[in-house]
Amino acid sequence: GESVGLHLPTLSVQEGDNSIINCAYSNSASDYFIWYKQESGKGPQFIIDIRSNMDKRQGQRVTVLLNKTVKHLSLQIAATQPGDSAVYFCAEIHDYKLSFGAGTTVTVRA
Amino acid sequence: DSGVTQTPKHLITATGQRVTLRCSPRSGDLSVYWYQQSLDQGLQFLIQYYNGEERAKGNILERFSAQQFPDLHSELNLSSLELGDSALYFCASSPQALGRSEQYFGPGTRLTVT
Repeated sequence: GESVGLHLPTLSVQEGDNSIINCAYSNSASDYFIWYKQESGKGPQFIIDIRSNMDKRQGQRVTVLLNKTVKHLSLQIAATQPGDSAVYFCAEIHDYKLSFGAGTTVTVRA
Repeated sequence: DSGVTQTPKHLITATGQRVTLRCSPRSGDLSVYWYQQSLDQGLQFLIQYYNGEERAKGNILERFSAQQFPDLHSELNLSSLELGDSALYFCASSPQALGRSEQYFGPGTRLTVT
């Protein structure tokens, strides 16, 4: 699978491989985190969320991992498909406010 | 389709002008959020309303204001527009007040200031 240790603005993945998208969040007091997917010309779409009292949560083909020690969040996509091509944002919530990361553009190669 | 509607889809106006963007949340959602997305700033949270009252404020300029009406639709008013205000403006809604839940985003309004 394709993975990156640090946040990179782009990620190119072979169709069928697993993808790992990383995100570093800024506020250690944030207690809720969300991954969003944004396709070209559309608004962000919720993928999966995780509360700060958890370190892992699984959805359909996606897994979010939270490491509070190093303030790191990752999104794993299993068996990446062409429809997964999009910009992925992590977001943290603190004090009612949602703050988005810079985003990673994922391109799936056929 | 998220169930959140925004009008207009596109807006072109001149510097110094004032515009109003409109958002209708999903049926049953009491919270409305406004975001600005520009190429250099990314997605920025502007403001949140819950059941008609302001709940949280983010990076919203003083030239911008918002309100949520009794029917729960919301309007974002942008005045004394500058070239740098050109961006996509998204509205999102959620059922809860605290923001710790899935937010459903509308398709956005693309504002171009010339």
